[in-house]
Amino acid sequence: EAQVTQNPRYLITVTGKKLTVTCSQNMNHEYMSWYRQDPGLGLRQIYYSMNVEVTDKGDVPEGYKVSRKEKRNFPLILESPSPNQTSLYFCASSPGTGALNYGYTFGSGTRLTVV
Amino acid sequence: AQSVAQPEDQVNVAEGNPLTVKCTYSVSGNPYLFWYVQYPNRGLQFLLKYITGDNLVKGSYGFEAEFNKSQTSFHLKKPSALVSDSALYFCAVDKAAGNKLTFGGGTRVLVKP
Repeated sequence: EAQVTQNPRYLITVTGKKLTVTCSQNMNHEYMSWYRQDPGLGLRQIYYSMNVEVTDKGDVPEGYKVSRKEKRNFPLILESPSPNQTSLYFCASSPGTGALNYGYTFGSGTRLTVV
Repeated sequence: AQSVAQPEDQVNVAEGNPLTVKCTYSVSGNPYLFWYVQYPNRGLQFLLKYITGDNLVKGSYGFEAEFNKSQTSFHLKKPSALVSDSALYFCAVDKAAGNKLTFGGGTRVLVKP
């Protein structure tokens, strides 16, 4: 089954403790991105990647890092989480706007609470 | 920069009545438009998209949307709403070679029996 898999689904952590949220896709998509969802603000892009070793900032990148060492994986790293990073996070992948099957596939989400 | 506006935070409708969720967008070039739905404690489910062609797009669960270039709108519609349609709806825009999906703030739909 074509899917984007995020882990964990739920995470409670303390301020300053480094964490990683993993994201993996099995569709050989070139494009991957991370979003955070906050009430009334919709989903905002954190970082995106156009291919292996190619990443760039989205709209709200502060406090986050990403890496794309393999095409299928795109982990989101919070080096020193703060309470304002408490949010619902989604990973997404896409074959690109030039592809016949263009569209976005989203993971199930990770609900992060930083206390 | 591209943007999406969903002017209504919440839409209330009686079951069996028509449902409309409004969306306007701003993007340079030709827009690629999407609607997603999110049920409580669930991820995003794809409803429909407009890339090119017929301005009326039909999607999942009986939903449809009409692309209106002159009004830069892409309103979501359903002729007869169900209680099970109660959820959070998101409109989003991308563009050719853009590969960046920009979302509106979301509209909560409440369908009352």
